[in-house]
Amino acid sequence: GENVEQHPSTLSVQEGDSAVIKCTYSDSASNYFPWYKQELGKRPQLIIDIRSNVGEKKDQRIAVTLNKTAKHFSLHITETQPEDSAVYFCAASNDYKLSFGAGTTVTVRA
Amino acid sequence: DAGVTQSPTHLIKTRGQQVTLRCSPKSGHDTVSWYQQALGQGPQFIFQYYEEEERQRGNFPDRFSGHQFPNYSSELNVNALLLGDSALYLCASSEGPQVFFGPGTRLTVL
Repeated sequence: GENVEQHPSTLSVQEGDSAVIKCTYSDSASNYFPWYKQELGKRPQLIIDIRSNVGEKKDQRIAVTLNKTAKHFSLHITETQPEDSAVYFCAASNDYKLSFGAGTTVTVRA
Repeated sequence: DAGVTQSPTHLIKTRGQQVTLRCSPKSGHDTVSWYQQALGQGPQFIFQYYEEEERQRGNFPDRFSGHQFPNYSSELNVNALLLGDSALYLCASSEGPQVFFGPGTRLTVL
């Protein structure tokens, strides 16, 4: 089955700086890569996703890049704000079943 | 338009008991999946229902079973509860690759 590894497990950044989270996956058949943000006690919320036929996607301060050859994808958050503090999960899927990474706890320091 | 809804919000059971969790998908979504999220971990896929049939199943024992109704709502049943079944149970609905989660049911097994 699919195995998704996510790094780092914790990330502390100064407000206004950028944050980068990296994930690798094992199944070359995976073709859909979403990112979720989960605040304490809340549901995972889809923030951005990318399909395997696209190398990069951007939505305001958030961007995701995908390298299919290397089987890794990354989340970039620019101009971080205190409300960006949360746990972020990457996931990979090839048949609507999502396999998640272990999560990255992002703390934005004011 | 309501998103994915789940009931109950919280549940406390004792070892050996049985539990039923309920989910209503986002309007227009015909596919429902269930995930288990242990504390500090990413969600783990349990199974997926489509057209009232179990379409995919993750690495969970037969104690975990489910059902999908003609209106696409779904139930997750867990028999012979173990302490290790304590977790947040997330229902998710999808139409296409994008998956949207409900608020979850927090199950505590004592």
